[in-house]
Amino acid sequence: DVVMTQTPVSLSVSLGGQVSISCRSSQSLVHNNGNTYLSWYLQKPGQSPQLLIYKVSNRFSGISDRFSGSGSGTDFTLKISRVEPDDLGVYYCGQGTQYPYTFGAGTKLELK
Amino acid sequence: EVQLQESGPGLVKPSQSLSLTCSVTGYSITSNYWGWIRKFPGNKMEWMGYISYSGSTSYNPSLKSRISITRDTSKNQFFLQLNSVTTEDTATYYCARGTTTVTNWGQGVMVTVSS
Repeated sequence: DVVMTQTPVSLSVSLGGQVSISCRSSQSLVHNNGNTYLSWYLQKPGQSPQLLIYKVSNRFSGISDRFSGSGSGTDFTLKISRVEPDDLGVYYCGQGTQYPYTFGAGTKLELK
Repeated sequence: EVQLQESGPGLVKPSQSLSLTCSVTGYSITSNYWGWIRKFPGNKMEWMGYISYSGSTSYNPSLKSRISITRDTSKNQFFLQLNSVTTEDTATYYCARGTTTVTNWGQGVMVTVSS
């Protein structure tokens, strides 16, 4: 299975600040069809996960441009700028390139 | 707007079967892919398997001997059955739309395996 390693495990941020979350995969996430199926999800307290970013850098419908994804191959980053209270929760990266699909262990974003 | 809602017992005894239903509204399950994902205490998430628009299935090899995903297209529902459960199957179970990218998640149902 592809192992997804997320760092850091937790982050403290001030409102209005900027943070980055790293996600590394144990194998390249470039699919045979040329796409890279790396997604980012946010699970807010008491809610189910929601899709933020798909295929590395594409924002899902309704997602603020304060969220941006980048990377290639095995190294990926999610950046959140101008952090708002509604951004708090656990962020997961997930890969959909190689079955079984797998997720990172999560990064908890908290207020400083 | 597509919505998914899980239902099923919250408590299952060890060695018994876990059965969950996902009811989908706003989108036909004869399109796209539909799956089950679980989140263990402590945040680890695991893809369990999925059923396609045509009814074909694919399961996580770690569960292959215990899992079955089926559907009822007339009710726009799909189902999870996990046999011979142990306490290690205690988790929150989510049904989801999409596989390479999960675009929609249900609210989740917490299932505890305990005698």
